[in-house]
Amino acid sequence: KNEVEQSPQNLTAQEGEFITINCSYSVGISALHWLQQHPGGGIVSLFMLSSGKKKHGRLIATINIQEKHSSLHITASHPRDSAVYICAVRYGNKLVFGAGTILRVKS
Amino acid sequence: NAGVTQTPKFQVLKTGQSMTLQCAQDMNHEYMSWYRQDPGMGLRLIHYSVGAGITDQGEVPNGYNVSRSTTEDFPLRLLSAAPSQTSVYFCASRTSGVETQYFGPGTRLLVL
Repeated sequence: KNEVEQSPQNLTAQEGEFITINCSYSVGISALHWLQQHPGGGIVSLFMLSSGKKKHGRLIATINIQEKHSSLHITASHPRDSAVYICAVRYGNKLVFGAGTILRVKS
Repeated sequence: NAGVTQTPKFQVLKTGQSMTLQCAQDMNHEYMSWYRQDPGMGLRLIHYSVGAGITDQGEVPNGYNVSRSTTEDFPLRLLSAAPSQTSVYFCASRTSGVETQYFGPGTRLLVL
């Protein structure tokens, strides 16, 4: 069974700060997802990674397959980035989710 | 496209009552899944389907039934609700060969 651990559980940042959220998993995977859940509850997919690095606007996601670790970075953070960020790994036909990181960005 | 829709948005049940949570998608996706989200825990897979007529159990299937008679619909049935089933339920779908999952808005269920 794949365990997915996220850190930190909670994160408060000042507007403009560089933010890093980490995700570690225990067994080999075929893909890793980063998702965003806003206070209203809706979940949207941010990235899917199987290797390397992806960038979309101020968001950057990296994965190290050998170390079984991924990071999500937010540059020049903004209060609208406040949300829960969720890591999920594909393990066979299923997704296994981390518990999420609650991010609050203060202005 | 409406994407993935779920009804109802919120429901209160008494212990022992049954109900069906509805999920529909209009993207012709083969894969559909039901998850529950509880405080401090990651989303957990209840049941999933890889196509019409094909369903399988996830991590926490007990107390729930599903069926998939059409590509579009994937209802989740609670046979006899228990307080432990108080949760937020999400339906998701994706197409074969594409990793991106699309989530519905969620159904908040309270069982008294």
